[in-house]
Amino acid sequence: EAQVTQNPRYLITVTGKKLTVTCSQNMNHEYMSWYRQDPGLGLRQIYYSMNVEVTDKGDVPEGYKVSRKEKRNFPLILESPSPNQTSLYFCASSPLQGTDTQYFGPGTRLTVL
Amino acid sequence: KQEVTQIPAALSVPEGENLVLNCSFTDSAIYNLQWFRQDPGKGLTSLLLIQSSQREQTSGRLNASLDKSSGRSTLYIAASQPGDSATYLCAAPVTGTASKLTFGTGTRLQVTL
Repeated sequence: EAQVTQNPRYLITVTGKKLTVTCSQNMNHEYMSWYRQDPGLGLRQIYYSMNVEVTDKGDVPEGYKVSRKEKRNFPLILESPSPNQTSLYFCASSPLQGTDTQYFGPGTRLTVL
Repeated sequence: KQEVTQIPAALSVPEGENLVLNCSFTDSAIYNLQWFRQDPGKGLTSLLLIQSSQREQTSGRLNASLDKSSGRSTLYIAASQPGDSATYLCAAPVTGTASKLTFGTGTRLQVTL
């Protein structure tokens, strides 16, 4: 089944404890992206990747890191999480570019205490 | 800078009604626009993508239109059903890029029995 998977789905952590949210797609897509969704603010893009080893900042990249060593994986790293990073996070992929049809993962709900 | 607005934020209709959801965008130089559906606690599912060369796109009971000159798109849902209850988001490309989307904050639709 063609899909985007994220792990973990739920995470509660404490300020400053490094964490990684994994994202994997099995559709051989070139483009991958991370978003966060907050009430009243909608979806905002954190980082995106047009291809392996190519990443770029979205609208809200501060406090996040990403890497794209393999085509299928695009992990999101929070080196030192803070409470303002409590949010619902989505990974997405599309065949070639961001304006193609995007396929979303199920989401990761992160709480930073 | 592209801005996407969706009004109303919430809508409740009785089952069987036809309804229209609205999406407006500020930069009309777009080459496509996407509509998504989001169920509570879930990821986004792509519904329709309209290319700028098209005026509308249909999938089952859904019909999306695009009017670039007025900066508007509509999503028409025919013969609404309780299973259509969800939040509907539209997304337009960020000005001058094929790699980013700007999302509206969505219209939360409830279809009542």
